[in-house]
Amino acid sequence: SQTIHQWPATLVQPVGSPLSLECTVEGTSNPNLYWYRQAAGRGLQLLFYSVGIGQISSEVPQNLSASRPQDRQFILSSKKLLLSDSGFYLCAWSGVGRNEKLFFGSGTQLSVL
Amino acid sequence: QKEVEQDPGPLSVPEGAIVSLNCTYSNSAFQYFMWYRQYSRKGPELLMYTYSSGNKEDGRFTAQVDKSSKYISLFIRDSQPSDSATYLCAMGYSSASKIIFGSGTRLSIRP
Repeated sequence: SQTIHQWPATLVQPVGSPLSLECTVEGTSNPNLYWYRQAAGRGLQLLFYSVGIGQISSEVPQNLSASRPQDRQFILSSKKLLLSDSGFYLCAWSGVGRNEKLFFGSGTQLSVL
Repeated sequence: QKEVEQDPGPLSVPEGAIVSLNCTYSNSAFQYFMWYRQYSRKGPELLMYTYSSGNKEDGRFTAQVDKSSKYISLFIRDSQPSDSATYLCAMGYSSASKIIFGSGTRLSIRP
């Protein structure tokens, strides 16, 4: 069966510091991978998605970037965090066909102070 | 107008009650519909996936889709305290990058 791992679960970072969140998927090949952000009481905002190694689509221009160095690895990064980057970050994967289901990791609560 | 509207709640019901959660949508292109359950500080967990209008049942959960009214529902029978969570509706067409989520309804089941 497929599993998705995301770490760390909680992160507190000072303003201006770098960020690296990592996500890996097991049990499937060539998945589509996604990074979402969830603000308190709000829906899920798609930040980036990837259909293959090195292929990244950005949905929202911001202080963040994403990379996919391996087939089942997806990384969310920032060179300098802003206060507004605080939030709950979720990695997800899906198959590559139409009408595919989306499966989420356990999430990272990021607090920028 | 948002593409997907969902009452944020909170909704509080006694244990054993039938719960009804609802979403409306405006985009007639949506072809498939999902419900996710999210516990506090955890990732959303896929509960139900439906592709066509009508009902789909899985244990105590029933998902209902009415494409003509652009309205979807999730019913929970014999609700348990462990059902206390935020429920997100989601809908999409073509690739999963097109999935739109509701803002979630917070549900509390009182023992």
